[in-house]
Amino acid sequence: AQSVTQLGSHVSVSEGALVLLRCNYSSSVPPYLFWYVQYPNQGLQLLLKYTSAATLVKGINGFEAEFKKSETSFHLTKPSAHMSDAAEYFCAVSIAGRRALTFGSGTRLQVQP
Amino acid sequence: GAVVSQHPSRVICKSGTSVKIECRSLDFQATTMFWYRQFPKQSLMLMATSNEGSKATYEQGVEKDKFLINHASLTLSTLTVTSAHPEDSSFYICSASSGGAKDTQYFGPGTRLTVL
Repeated sequence: AQSVTQLGSHVSVSEGALVLLRCNYSSSVPPYLFWYVQYPNQGLQLLLKYTSAATLVKGINGFEAEFKKSETSFHLTKPSAHMSDAAEYFCAVSIAGRRALTFGSGTRLQVQP
Repeated sequence: GAVVSQHPSRVICKSGTSVKIECRSLDFQATTMFWYRQFPKQSLMLMATSNEGSKATYEQGVEKDKFLINHASLTLSTLTVTSAHPEDSSFYICSASSGGAKDTQYFGPGTRLTVL
């Protein structure tokens, strides 16, 4: 079975600072990895996904993530935080043959002015 | 991008009644739809996977007789919470996918269910 661990339930950064949200996965087969963002009382919006192509994946809103097999990680980064980035971020994994997503516990990002 | 809608966005009902939530893919055909449940300040937990024209596959611990899922067409899936109780109060989110595991799941905006 696959699983996802997000380190840090809350992350606070200053506006303009680097954003780093951590995600580690566990999977017995090559995984597909996703980052989603959720604003209050809304559904999830896909930021980016890794599906075994390039290990550095660029997404929307300036976010990117790098798949590191040796570290079983898929951390999300953004060079410069914006106030509008404040939201809940979920890392998720799926495997071939099982399209359902397994989500991490989420990380709430706060951006301080 | 692809759009998934849910209706209603918010529903309040009395204990013992049934509530139906609709999930629609507006601009693509969804061969598979997923239903998730999210408790406050928690992550999403998969409830069931439904493929068009076949019975839904429920996750362990999810009562299929309580959470009835119908996926009658490639653009519509419904979740009916039967005989709802206060502990069923939650945020229900559906997602839809048109293809395999590599294909993106597009999420609906969610339905907030409150059972009094």
